[in-house]
Amino acid sequence: NAGVTQTPKFQVLKTGQSMTLQCAQDMNHNSMYWYRQDPGMGLRLIYYSASEGTTDKGEVPNGYNVSRLNKREFSLRLESAAPSQTSVYFCASRAADSYEQYFGPGTRLTVT
Amino acid sequence: AQSVTQPDIHITVSEGASLELRCNYSYGATPYLFWYVQSPGQGLQLLLKYFSGDTLVQGIKGFEAEFKRSQSSFNLRKPSVHWSDAAEYFCAVGFPSGNTGKLIFGQGTTLQVKP
Repeated sequence: NAGVTQTPKFQVLKTGQSMTLQCAQDMNHNSMYWYRQDPGMGLRLIYYSASEGTTDKGEVPNGYNVSRLNKREFSLRLESAAPSQTSVYFCASRAADSYEQYFGPGTRLTVT
Repeated sequence: AQSVTQPDIHITVSEGASLELRCNYSYGATPYLFWYVQSPGQGLQLLLKYFSGDTLVQGIKGFEAEFKRSQSSFNLRKPSVHWSDAAEYFCAVGFPSGNTGKLIFGQGTTLQVKP
């Protein structure tokens, strides 16, 4: 039982490049979330998917897109990376009957 | 607007001393409350949670937290800190209206433990 997995663990991009961060969960959870973590700012919600087939913006969605590919997978795409998107990105999932979220190990992204 | 505040950015305690990390929230009703811990380079691990009932909740690793409605607070405590408790701690709040399950996180408190 792997829980929530994220790939890659580390990535360096040049300004303007694109990439997709992958997230998968094997707990049969309905809801999935993408956060970014920056020093002194805690975790901020980028996008979330309350259930398969739906996605909604969070607090800081600009510059990102998401896809809920199926119940297990929720990807985050940066179409044209900017230095301001240098951050650690966390994916999380939640069961339908709980508010408790389970987190993946994170992806450390640097945009130069 | 809904918000979560952790007033202490850094806290240093001696090993064996007691610990209290503060968390305050702004919301018109009782939210769901969580404390998470993040070790360096790791993801977030849930320490404890409060949904309803007894306002003193016990968590893993010897941590406890107390919900005080009158103070809109959910402070985390541990009677005797171990060196392995050095980490960053996040308070998070969920709001029962709707079913999005969204959480709002505080800014985090970094705990340093002196030998």
